[in-house]
Amino acid sequence: AQTVTQSQPEMSVQEAETVTLSCTYDTSENNYYLFWYKQPPSRQMILVIRQEAYKQQNATENRFSVNFQKAAKSFSLKISDSQLGDTAMYFCVLGGGAGSYQLTFGKGTKLSVIP
Amino acid sequence: GAVVSQHPSWVICKSGTSVKIECRSLDFQATTMFWYRQFPKQSLMLMATSNEGSKATYEQGVEKDKFLINHASLTLSTLTVTSAHPEDSSFYICSARTTGFLNTEAFFGQGTRLTVV
Repeated sequence: AQTVTQSQPEMSVQEAETVTLSCTYDTSENNYYLFWYKQPPSRQMILVIRQEAYKQQNATENRFSVNFQKAAKSFSLKISDSQLGDTAMYFCVLGGGAGSYQLTFGKGTKLSVIP
Repeated sequence: GAVVSQHPSWVICKSGTSVKIECRSLDFQATTMFWYRQFPKQSLMLMATSNEGSKATYEQGVEKDKFLINHASLTLSTLTVTSAHPEDSSFYICSARTTGFLNTEAFFGQGTRLTVV
């Protein structure tokens, strides 16, 4: 069974500062994918960033970057220059391998950006 | 990115009645769609996996006869909550992934807030 653990239920950060959200996971698959999704108050799920497990290079999307440590099964998200619009619930998500299209969600981290 | 449209966005129904939620992939074919339930301030809980032209696969603890899922075409899946009760009130979200690429993101509908009174 696949599991995803987010140990920070809530976090806050000052506008323009940097914040890191933690995530650990467990899977027996060799080929898998990791995602961070955000769910703002509108509740629409939005992809923030994705990482292929076979790639050593950490993914980056503008102000968002990940620290992917495959051996440690760790996948943290760093948000730089935090903006008010970053206020949302953030979910760490594991995509299955071997033909499985199911996603395994962490419990989420509620991030509040303070003006 | 691809668009998944979910309708209605919110619905209020009387206890004992049934309500249908539609999930459409607008610009891509979705062989597989997923239905989730989300309680307030909680994560998404997978209810079932819907494959076009075949029976849905339900997660343990999800009542098949209460939550009827139909995936009759490559662009439409429906979730029908039958004989709804107040405890069925929740936020329901569908998602779809394109086939053949495991790393593709899942595209989510806007969600449906169901209130049973």
